[in-house]
Amino acid sequence: EVQLVESGGGLVQPGRSLRLSCAASGFTFGDYAMHWVRQAPGKGLQWVSGISWNSASIVYADSVKGRFTISRDNAKNSLYLQVNSLRPEDTALYYCAKPLTSNWNDAFDLWGQGTMVTVSS
Amino acid sequence: EIVLTQSPGTLSLSPGERASLSCRASQSVSSRYLAWYQQKPGQAPRLLIYGASSRATGIPDRFSGSGSGTDFTLTISRLEPEDFAVYHCQHYGSSPLFGGGTKVEIK
Repeated sequence: EVQLVESGGGLVQPGRSLRLSCAASGFTFGDYAMHWVRQAPGKGLQWVSGISWNSASIVYADSVKGRFTISRDNAKNSLYLQVNSLRPEDTALYYCAKPLTSNWNDAFDLWGQGTMVTVSS
Repeated sequence: EIVLTQSPGTLSLSPGERASLSCRASQSVSSRYLAWYQQKPGQAPRLLIYGASSRATGIPDRFSGSGSGTDFTLTISRLEPEDFAVYHCQHYGSSPLFGGGTKVEIK
């Protein structure tokens, strides 16, 4: 089955860190760029970060630059997001998403179910 | 920086009616990089339309996309009960971005 499964979310205090994971299956993970998208409760979608198939190209949204680090392990079919210096405004459901083709610039045709990050003291 | 504005925020319609959702970009964008997603409560977004007008796999033909430049439209020709949801537009450039969403609710 083609799927993405996120994990690693939880309740954390401001300033702390988490490592989010996304396990891919059913497709050749190493052929695709991958992205993280988040959605605050009751709000719209916000793209967070993307990484090329070979990790050579990485881009972040301005709101997370310097605090979040995206990475991947193609041998393990896994995508990661290290989230540091967490703020209350980072509270959201974090999705990993796969582009329709191997191009970075493509619509997202596969999404995980999301992992919830709640930042609160 | 491009901003995508979706309107209306909420659309109240009855099953069988036609829905027209707008996505306006703050500057001209390539239609090649414009997508629409459907999201139901508690679910991840589902890709409906890419390249402004191409339907994704398995999407019924009552969904259609159109537009160019700064103005794009998602049309649902006849609303089915399962179509009541939130719809997001996206420009998938080098830094993808989303509009604020339009909720289609039952009138």
